[in-house]
Amino acid sequence: GQSLEQPSEVTAVEGAIVQINCTYQTSGFYGLSWYQQHDGGAPTFLSYNALDGLEETGRFSSFLSRSDSYGYLLLQELQMKDSASYFCAVRDDYKLSFGAGTTVTVRA
Amino acid sequence: GAVVSQHPSWVICKSGTSVKIECRSLDFQATTMFWYRQFPKQSLMLMATSNEGSKATYEQGVEKDKFLINHASLTLSTLTVTSAHPEDSSFYICSARGIQGLTSTDTQYFGPGTRLTVL
Repeated sequence: GQSLEQPSEVTAVEGAIVQINCTYQTSGFYGLSWYQQHDGGAPTFLSYNALDGLEETGRFSSFLSRSDSYGYLLLQELQMKDSASYFCAVRDDYKLSFGAGTTVTVRA
Repeated sequence: GAVVSQHPSWVICKSGTSVKIECRSLDFQATTMFWYRQFPKQSLMLMATSNEGSKATYEQGVEKDKFLINHASLTLSTLTVTSAHPEDSSFYICSARGIQGLTSTDTQYFGPGTRLTVL
């Protein structure tokens, strides 16, 4: 099976940088994804890492180290609209399994 | 990116009734569809996976006779919650993966979710 660990919540001020770590254990691994979910909404795809290294998409970056079974999502220049839950998810051979989620609260 | 729709977006029903939720892929062929359930402040839990034209594969602990899944076409999957009870009240989200144009896409695209409240 799969297990993923990520912090339950993070609070930061506007303009700050936040890093959400995710460690995982899985019997099969294709890649690590990150999703954002606002209250009452569905998850929206942010990024996917299949290989080691850093992927940058605008203010958000995601990193993967397969040897360490570890990844992180980096949120830069935080904005109020970034307040949401962020989930890491591991892709095995056929499905995504999600972590418990990290609630990010951005304060003015 | 690809678009997945769900209908209805919310539903309230009486205990003991059945509710059907539709999930459609609008601009790609969804060879695989996933159904998740999410309780408040919790993560998404996979309920079942279905491949077009095949029977769904249910995760451990999910009653296949209670949560009926049909994936009869490459653009439509349905989840029917039979004899719903208050404990079935949750946010149900479908997700799809498949072929967009001539390319097989590995990304799972999520629908907007259906909030079910059973009274």
